[in-house]
Amino acid sequence: QKEVEQNSGPLSVPEGAIASLNCTYSDRGSQSFFWYRQYSGKSPELIMSIYSNGDKEDGRFTAQLNKASQYVSLLIRDSQPSDSATYLCAVTTIKAAGNKLTFGGGTRVLVKP
Amino acid sequence: GAVVSQHPSRVICKSGTSVKIECRSLDFQATTMFWYRQFPKQSLMLMATSNEGSKATYEQGVEKDKFLINHASLTLSTLTVTSAHPEDSSFYICSARVDRGQLNNQPQHFGDGTRLSIL
Repeated sequence: QKEVEQNSGPLSVPEGAIASLNCTYSDRGSQSFFWYRQYSGKSPELIMSIYSNGDKEDGRFTAQLNKASQYVSLLIRDSQPSDSATYLCAVTTIKAAGNKLTFGGGTRVLVKP
Repeated sequence: GAVVSQHPSRVICKSGTSVKIECRSLDFQATTMFWYRQFPKQSLMLMATSNEGSKATYEQGVEKDKFLINHASLTLSTLTVTSAHPEDSSFYICSARVDRGQLNNQPQHFGDGTRLSIL
């Protein structure tokens, strides 16, 4: 079992719709959760961070964390073609020496006009 | 804030050449920086954790003599790919974490990456 799992996609979403991305993690001791967006050929950029159960909203993005079920999700409202990218879920765990981030494989999102 | 600068953005060189990549945190101090490698259509693979003033911590399977890391100040880490060969061609990305509060909660901020092509 991978430590952080994501559906690789592609997730095809019509423009203006909501894109829903899911991520599950295996270590119950995980403390910090991050979503990064990576455009093709570029480096990741931080979109959201979330640390406690519940929802966190930032503009068109909402991160949801459920530690009991060990999943974290990202909703993108009013999806735009510019949102087409790979979204990486990343988790920090206590056991990881040096507070390393463990990345999922990423979900590729395609927003179609 | 939290800008990470990485240079060069692209390197093309002959086999056997050593290549140095710099990673700088421009507006914050970073005791810890990270070096990743990414192959096409794959996720990031952590190569090593760079610690200011001490030796880097390498991930399993990463040759420390091949990938030399120096973190001489709180804002600069360098990765040197020694005697590079075509199989070292990849996208190398550094990241840095702000030295503030609970480090485990701090996100990593990424540089723009270096695309290395060895002929």
